[in-house]
Amino acid sequence: AQKITQTQPGMFVQEKEAVTLDCTYDTSDPSYGLFWYKQPSSGEMIFLIYQGSYDQQNATEGRYSLNFQKARKSANLVISASQLGDSAMYFCAMREGRFRGGSEKLVFGKGTKLTVNP
Amino acid sequence: EPEVTQTPSHQVTQMGQEVILRCVPISNHLYFYWYRQILGQKVEFLVSFYNNEISEKSEIFDDQFSVERPDGSNFTLKIRSTKLEDSAMYFCASSGILYEQYFGPGTRLTVT
Repeated sequence: AQKITQTQPGMFVQEKEAVTLDCTYDTSDPSYGLFWYKQPSSGEMIFLIYQGSYDQQNATEGRYSLNFQKARKSANLVISASQLGDSAMYFCAMREGRFRGGSEKLVFGKGTKLTVNP
Repeated sequence: EPEVTQTPSHQVTQMGQEVILRCVPISNHLYFYWYRQILGQKVEFLVSFYNNEISEKSEIFDDQFSVERPDGSNFTLKIRSTKLEDSAMYFCASSGILYEQYFGPGTRLTVT
């Protein structure tokens, strides 16, 4: 079964508008974390934002915020005031298991390609 | 700002040859990882390394692969007898006491 599901292969947004990229996850571990990474066409993986399962508040980093709904097992990324430079692939990922001595490996979704139109 | 670095950025090798991909993680980080991404696909975990030993490896990480931390700064991935299907982007990542994993810029491996 997929641990991370990103159902939107592609999304389009107008410059300066907000966009939400969906991510749902599946785990039975009470301690886990959700990550979002940006991968521009140049190929590097840029860390954007992290949400821990015990964090009380939704994570925010500048124009990025994570809409964490634990009961629904969703961790959607919200990008406010989109810019042309936001056009990229966006990957949601999950870590499990530090408190069980786990390796902290990340499991990635298939990604969403975001295109920001001028 | 500290960052993970990887060399080379692009490696072309012939099938059957050995390659070594190099990484310098962020200096105070404790956990080190290799991931790969075949073109157009999602990122896949290969191996994690903590306290000078492998802590977990995926089924992809068979006897063809090995990792080493030869000194206090470098972290290497060796691929013996490369195959065409090893062509991919290989990412090194590291994390510290906080959970954020920072990725290097990747090494694009092309096996011909």
